[in-house]
Amino acid sequence: QSVLTQPPSASGTPGQRVTISCSGSSSNIGSNYVYWYQQLPGTAPKLLIYSNNQRPSGVPDRFSGSKSGTSASLAISGLRSEDEADYYCAAWDDSLSGWVFGGGTKLTVL
Amino acid sequence: EVQLVESGGGLVQPGGSLRLSCAASGFTFSSYEMNWVRQAPGKGLEWISYISRSGSTMYYADSVKGRFTISRDNAKNSLYLQMNSLRAEDTAVYYCARGSGLGYWGQGTLVTVSS
Repeated sequence: QSVLTQPPSASGTPGQRVTISCSGSSSNIGSNYVYWYQQLPGTAPKLLIYSNNQRPSGVPDRFSGSKSGTSASLAISGLRSEDEADYYCAAWDDSLSGWVFGGGTKLTVL
Repeated sequence: EVQLVESGGGLVQPGGSLRLSCAASGFTFSSYEMNWVRQAPGKGLEWISYISRSGSTMYYADSVKGRFTISRDNAKNSLYLQMNSLRAEDTAVYYCARGSGLGYWGQGTLVTVSS
């Protein structure tokens, strides 16, 4: 059971916009930044969004993040086949003194 | 170019020990906090340990507390994870990850605990 809650799966057709939610609590999302990671099959996770809504250089602006209270979301617009991957949200948890992750969302591009 | 290269994984019997290493290059290692994160086969990501830039502060997940020890050698640009009393449930790919936002990850090293 993950500390952060994500839907296990999401899907969309090419060109569509999809969103992935991430729910936490006051000790993690509510008081710290949210990060999103993309894990393509067979590879290491890659930082996609940091500090709630910032994109590292090289990440397309089709990816965006937002946070409100103890929840966050990742939006992917103009969906492409290469976006098919697992997506994880994460935040530092002040009560646990450690990082907490969501269980991951498997995105399928139909 | 930032590079993190893990090594030291392998097959170990339950109750055994293993020491993982993470060699860093392409950045000033001593300026970054570091973490270990693992992923069991077919499962999600699990953070297991953090170490501060100087190595003076460490945090552990409850699942490994008392069994695993994180350390670093800034002169050698290296991060370590000493794993003792290994259990079957410790079987996973172990990643080192840089910084307070886990901004860069290594390719991982597989640890298999089995008799």
